[in-house]
Amino acid sequence: EAGVVQSPRYKIIEKKQPVAFWCNPISGHNTLYWYRQNLGQGPELLIRYENEEAVDDSQLPKDRFSAERLKGVDSTLKIQPAELGDSAVYLCASSVGWSRNTGELFFGEGSRLTVL
Amino acid sequence: SQKIEQNSEALNIQEGKTATLTCNYTNYSPAYLQWYRQDPGRGPVFLLLIRENEKEKRKERLKVTFDTTLKQSLFHITASQPADSATYLCALVNTGNQFYFGTGTSLTVIP
Repeated sequence: EAGVVQSPRYKIIEKKQPVAFWCNPISGHNTLYWYRQNLGQGPELLIRYENEEAVDDSQLPKDRFSAERLKGVDSTLKIQPAELGDSAVYLCASSVGWSRNTGELFFGEGSRLTVL
Repeated sequence: SQKIEQNSEALNIQEGKTATLTCNYTNYSPAYLQWYRQDPGRGPVFLLLIRENEKEKRKERLKVTFDTTLKQSLFHITASQPADSATYLCALVNTGNQFYFGTGTSLTVIP
């Protein structure tokens, strides 16, 4: 099966510019996550969707970050305006939940953002 | 405060030896604990799951233990190979399906 697809893989922008990341999860996966991973750190949750509904967005900096998951499939994560501290890898993951007995997350390759 | 700590230093071991990685946590009550492997420039890949009522889980050369009293999980790779070199992440999962990742341990297997 096709994996989680993210784009772009790399993005370099100047501070105060907007940026958007796109994620296409594995077909049939109802749960979608956006994580941010700083260098040498583990992924940190930004937002989790169950179908179209954002069920956990407590860690999303809502003053500059926004996300949407239209029709419960693809998702976009936007930052506007970007700050230097936003430089990180943005990972998208999807899950079919616990019906497969492992609850494993399937991650995309990530989008590496550099803010100058 | 909540913390998930993995080996603070990178781990270098000789090929053929057993690598042991630790995951310690405080102020969490996980229902499950998962281990992932992450290669440079790639997303994490799931390896193993262990439940809170399980003491040990094995999969090929991998073994995971989970001690909820000590609040610790150990991840073992036996007969290690250079191809096992990667960063390994533990993830605590609660009953609300929230995942909390550790900082990761970088493992290098020296031929």
